[in-house]
Amino acid sequence: NAGVTQTPKFQVLKTGQSMTLQCAQDMNHEYMSWYRQDPGMGLRLIHYSVGAGITDQGEVPNGYNVSRSTTEDFPLRLLSAAPSQTSVYFCASSYRSKGAGELFFGEGSRLTVL
Amino acid sequence: GESVGLHLPTLSVQEGDNSIINCAYSNSASDYFIWYKQESGKGPQFIIDIRSNMDKRQGQRVTVLLNKTVKHLSLQIAATQPGDSAVYFCAEGRSNMLTFGGGTRLMVKP
Repeated sequence: NAGVTQTPKFQVLKTGQSMTLQCAQDMNHEYMSWYRQDPGMGLRLIHYSVGAGITDQGEVPNGYNVSRSTTEDFPLRLLSAAPSQTSVYFCASSYRSKGAGELFFGEGSRLTVL
Repeated sequence: GESVGLHLPTLSVQEGDNSIINCAYSNSASDYFIWYKQESGKGPQFIIDIRSNMDKRQGQRVTVLLNKTVKHLSLQIAATQPGDSAVYFCAEGRSNMLTFGGGTRLMVKP
């Protein structure tokens, strides 16, 4: 049972480059979200989706785009990477009936922007 | 803005003792509160949640207490074990948004 799968696990970018962090879940969860976690800090919500075709902004959406074309996948795009986006990114999903409550997290993607 | 925070950044307890991790919140409109555990190099793992209309909820070895009068949340871990060593986050939820606090590191001494 894979759960929430994130790729890549590690990535180094140069300032201005673009990339996509992939997230897939096999639990048929309607709710999916992206968080970033900076050293010694909690998680901050970037974007979330309550179902295919629906996305919304979280606390820190600037510099990131998302789309939800299928229930399973929720990619996070960095259009022009900046050093301030150096962080660990977590994708999480849950059953919609529980809102954002009992989230199942992936293992994280560690991004460094030089 | 309103936020969720923790009183103690690090808590050290003896194996077998009970642990209490505290959290303060400021948004009285939150619908539910959740505790997550994060081990090094891993994603957070759900421990227990409590809705705003409750004041206590128990799970296996864990109890969450909610005091809405003083906007305080706590996680009690009974008979703390080495495997409980991790960072614990409280989070408050409203509709589809979950806001996390800064985290408390629990260290269990053998």
